[in-house]
Amino acid sequence: EADIYQTPRYLVIGTGKKITLECSQTMGHDKMYWYQQDPGMELHLIHYSYGVNSTEKGDLSSESTVSRIRTEHFPLTLESARPSHTSQYLCASSEGTEETQYFGPGTRLLVL
Amino acid sequence: QKEVEQNSGPLSVPEGAIASLNCTYSDRGSQSFFWYRQYSGKSPELIMFIYSNGDKEDGRFTAQLNKASQYVSLLIRDSQPSDSATYLCAVSNGDSWGKLQFGAGTQVVVTP
Repeated sequence: EADIYQTPRYLVIGTGKKITLECSQTMGHDKMYWYQQDPGMELHLIHYSYGVNSTEKGDLSSESTVSRIRTEHFPLTLESARPSHTSQYLCASSEGTEETQYFGPGTRLLVL
Repeated sequence: QKEVEQNSGPLSVPEGAIASLNCTYSDRGSQSFFWYRQYSGKSPELIMFIYSNGDKEDGRFTAQLNKASQYVSLLIRDSQPSDSATYLCAVSNGDSWGKLQFGAGTQVVVTP
């Protein structure tokens, strides 16, 4: 089982602010993912990475960006937050050929 | 048509009874199938996965896969109030990215 951490857990911020959601895992997993989930709705993949310096956009269009400079770290950045970005953001990781994804606790974002 | 479909529920189950959850998927090339449990306000946690047609049992949980009919189900035996949660079905097409397609989930409510 992966140890995967997300900070902050909750964030309330004003429109136009730049924010970075942190995600770290300690298991050395090569693949990492960011999902967006609204209440009662399915998870939507917004970014993924299969290793250092590799990132791809997911199935749901997002105005966020990600980076993968270190294996254990996969931050997500919103350059200018808007109320439409209000959601829960979930980070996950998986190892090698294993497809099981392990999730962090999530960040609940509210943009006013 | 969504790629992974589940009845949203809520599915009301008396304590001690069997809860039966269904999931259908559209991609015939799907290889791996996962069930996650998500408590309200929390992140998904893996219950079990199944790759081959047939049944797979893990404690009170049984996953059933029928690739010809493109469905996967989850049975929860001896349902407990602590089983009250939303159950997410996830499907992988087996590509090297390890991406999963998630259903919107079925809410289960176990009544004492």
